[in-house]
Amino acid sequence: EPEVTQTPSHQVTQMGQEVILRCVPISNHLYFYWYRQILGQKVEFLVSFYNNEISEKSEIFDDQFSVERPDGSNFTLKIRSTKLEDSAMYFCASSDALNTGELFFGEGSRLTVL
Amino acid sequence: AQSVTQPDIHITVSEGASLELRCNYSYGATPYLFWYVQSPGQGLQLLLKYFSGDTLVQGIKGFEAEFKRSQSSFNLRKPSVHWSDAAEYFCAVGAPGGSYIPTFGRGTSLIVHP
Repeated sequence: EPEVTQTPSHQVTQMGQEVILRCVPISNHLYFYWYRQILGQKVEFLVSFYNNEISEKSEIFDDQFSVERPDGSNFTLKIRSTKLEDSAMYFCASSDALNTGELFFGEGSRLTVL
Repeated sequence: AQSVTQPDIHITVSEGASLELRCNYSYGATPYLFWYVQSPGQGLQLLLKYFSGDTLVQGIKGFEAEFKRSQSSFNLRKPSVHWSDAAEYFCAVGAPGGSYIPTFGRGTSLIVHP
């Protein structure tokens, strides 16, 4: 069964460092998403991406964040200068349809900022 | 904007007992509604969804959910819980015609006693 894969599964970084989280969405999907979950809190939407551009983003997704689809398979989330409060589980998801809301999620990348 | 409330952070049941996980949503019209499950070390997996029609929805793994417009609820049920059902359960709401991107609740952790 096709699945969304994320790397790394866990990354520890120092405050102020840049981090890139990688995702390989399901191959025939066209819509890509990043969510995050701070420990004990809600799963929060960060950004959606379609046709090589951001289609929607939340207020969390500020100038420190960027997304990219550098080739035909990868979808990355970059945090330019990490802060302590960026520590969270980051989930990548993809979907094949715009208006169903049915997303397929990866296992998540846990980011710990020290 | 839509929102979701899952009032129970933890639910503990005995194996074989029935289960009901609560979900209340806020949205001005009939939303898209979802339940996702996250087993330890895995990504979120869709259990079931409601778009329209029959308000009782059947999902995978023996789960069902009922959409009650009058109560703005979409509670998840299972008649007999198995130890393997221990996981985190997330309710999510999407807005047809608006921001289709699912908004998640904070999740309910299900603990199953033998």
